[in-house]
This record gives sequence, C-alpha cells and structure tokens, in this order.
Amino acid sequence: AQSVTQLGSHVSVSEGALVLLRCNYSSSVPPYLFWYVQYPNQGLQLLLKYTSAATLVKGINGFEAEFKKSETSFHLTKPSAHMSDAAEYFCAVSDPDLSGGYNKLIFGAGTRLAVHP
Amino acid sequence: DAGVTQSPTHLIKTRGQQVTLRCSPISGHKSVSWYQQVLGQGPQFIFQYYEKEERGRGNFPDRFSARQFPNYSSELNVNALLLGDSALYLCASSLSIGNQPQHFGDGTRLSIL
Repeated sequence: AQSVTQLGSHVSVSEGALVLLRCNYSSSVPPYLFWYVQYPNQGLQLLLKYTSAATLVKGINGFEAEFKKSETSFHLTKPSAHMSDAAEYFCAVSDPDLSGGYNKLIFGAGTRLAVHP
Repeated sequence: DAGVTQSPTHLIKTRGQQVTLRCSPISGHKSVSWYQQVLGQGPQFIFQYYEKEERGRGNFPDRFSARQFPNYSSELNVNALLLGDSALYLCASSLSIGNQPQHFGDGTRLSIL
C-alpha cells in the first residue's frame, strides 16, 4: 500500500533563506507524486506534480521538487523564502486501484512553514 | 474559468442530524472526489465518482454516501452525525480517473455540537 511521511510538522525559516520540506513515500507501483499548499481557511492548491518524466519538477511560486527513487524521496525546495510562503504543505502519492479502476490521493500529515523577517 | 466550488462554506449541526454538502467541478472535469480533513491532519479519501458512478470508497462508515449528477456536480451526505465528523470536507475534480492532478475547492467547514 502507498504511504507518505513528511518529516517535520513545523519548519521555520528566515525571509530569503532556503526552504526545504521533506517527503518520503512508499509505493508498490511507479509513483505519481504531488505537492499541495494550503493557506488558512482555504482548500489545497497544486504546487507541482511528478509523473515519471523529468526527475526535477518545477512548480508555481518558485518551488521545485526532486524525485529520488533510490531514497524514495520527493523533497520540496525554494531558494529564497518569502513571507507569503507561510502556509501548510502536503505531499501526496497517487494510489491507483487497478481492480476498481479509480485513483485516490494518500496525503502526508503536512508541514507548517513559518517565515519570519 | 471557475475552479471547484463548494457550498455551503460553513455549517453547524448537532449530533444525530443529517447534512448534505455540494460540489461543482471545474468545467470539463468528469471525476469528483471527496476528502475529509480533520484539524491538524492531512485529507483522507472518502469517495471518487466518475461518469455518475461510484468508482472508489475509502474507509468510512455507511453513514457517508454521495452521488454525482449528469452535469458532473456532486453531493456528499452524512447521516446520524457524530462529534467526530467535525472537519473540513474537500471536494476535488479531475479530467478523468487515473493519475491525474486533482484540483480542490475551498471546502465546507462542518462543526458538530
């Protein structure tokens, strides 16, 4: 069964510093991986997705993630944090049910990013 | 184009009552999924519908049910509400089933008193 582990429930960085949010996955099939961001009182917004093409994936708002099969990781990075990046970030793996013909997302517990001046 | 829209945004119910939540997918999207997000946790899968048929169900009791209409909008129903049903209920749409990105609405915040 697919699963996702996000290391660090809270991460705090200074404005302008590197952002690194960690995600490790477990998957019995070639994984499809996603990062979503959730601002207070809002739904989830798709940041980027990995779908077995390039291992370095670029997303919106300057974020990118690198798929490393040997480490079963899909960490999210941003070179320079901005105050507006403060939010909750969720890593997710697609969990296909081949017999049922459907697909659901399995989410990690989330990492809350704080950015201070 | 409009994103996924959900209504109502907030709802307060008491234990034992029933609730219906509504979702309109992005235009052209034929699949709708429902997730429950309890405070401090990641979303948990409840249902996926595609072409008006239930295609997947998560580990939720039979008090939870849903349907999809010919225009691909969807309703989630929860009967005999419990305190533990208090959560943010998120609807997501995608073009079809399969490994496609799911696009989320802003959710319905359900509070059970």
